[in-house]
Amino acid sequence: SQELEQSPQSLIVQEGKNLTINCTSSKTLYGLYWYKQKYGEGLIFLMMLQKGGEEKSHEKITAKLDEKKQQSSLHITASQPSHAGIYLCGAIFSTSGTYKYIFGTGTRLKVLA
Amino acid sequence: DTEVTQTPKHLVMGMTNKKSLKCEQHMGHRAMYWYKQKAKKPPELMFVYSYEKLSINESVPSRFSPECPNSSLLNLHLHALQPEDSALYLCASSRLANNPELEGCEAFFGQGTRLTVV
Repeated sequence: SQELEQSPQSLIVQEGKNLTINCTSSKTLYGLYWYKQKYGEGLIFLMMLQKGGEEKSHEKITAKLDEKKQQSSLHITASQPSHAGIYLCGAIFSTSGTYKYIFGTGTRLKVLA
Repeated sequence: DTEVTQTPKHLVMGMTNKKSLKCEQHMGHRAMYWYKQKAKKPPELMFVYSYEKLSINESVPSRFSPECPNSSLLNLHLHALQPEDSALYLCASSRLANNPELEGCEAFFGQGTRLTVV
């Protein structure tokens, strides 16, 4: 089973529109990381959220972690073609005393000019 | 410097070949990771090194052999691969926290090696 589920799976929006991507965990999150990936390239770190209710912004991207710390949302305001890519949420989970850095199912974003 | 460098960028190898992927970081991170990513899928964790020692092996076939010769370098040795092993291989590094679930430690990724097995 997937520990981090993202929705929607893919998204096509017109340039200038706002959009939201969600990430839901089956366990309480002690830290949630958002990354962006261009096709065939490495992941670029966007933001880290650790406290319930925390919200962070960078340029036109805002991410929030809910109070229960099991869901995070990423909101893009006035989308641009440069926002296109794959957005991945990530978290660290412990299993039998070891820590694993795992990723959500991903959301593919296309922005039409 | 938040750069993780992976070489080569592209690699085509036959099923009987032996090759190696290399990863280097100079951020002083003591955790390093190998991920495998197939098309339209999220990265899947393969190996984790902590303080240059293998701490996690996600049941990866022995034809993949990781090595961490020092705190800045991570290698992935490949031998007798199958066509289904073709994928993007990503290396990442992060600082090590006593309790990463509470302290937070973002991972920095390389650009990946696009591997094709023929």
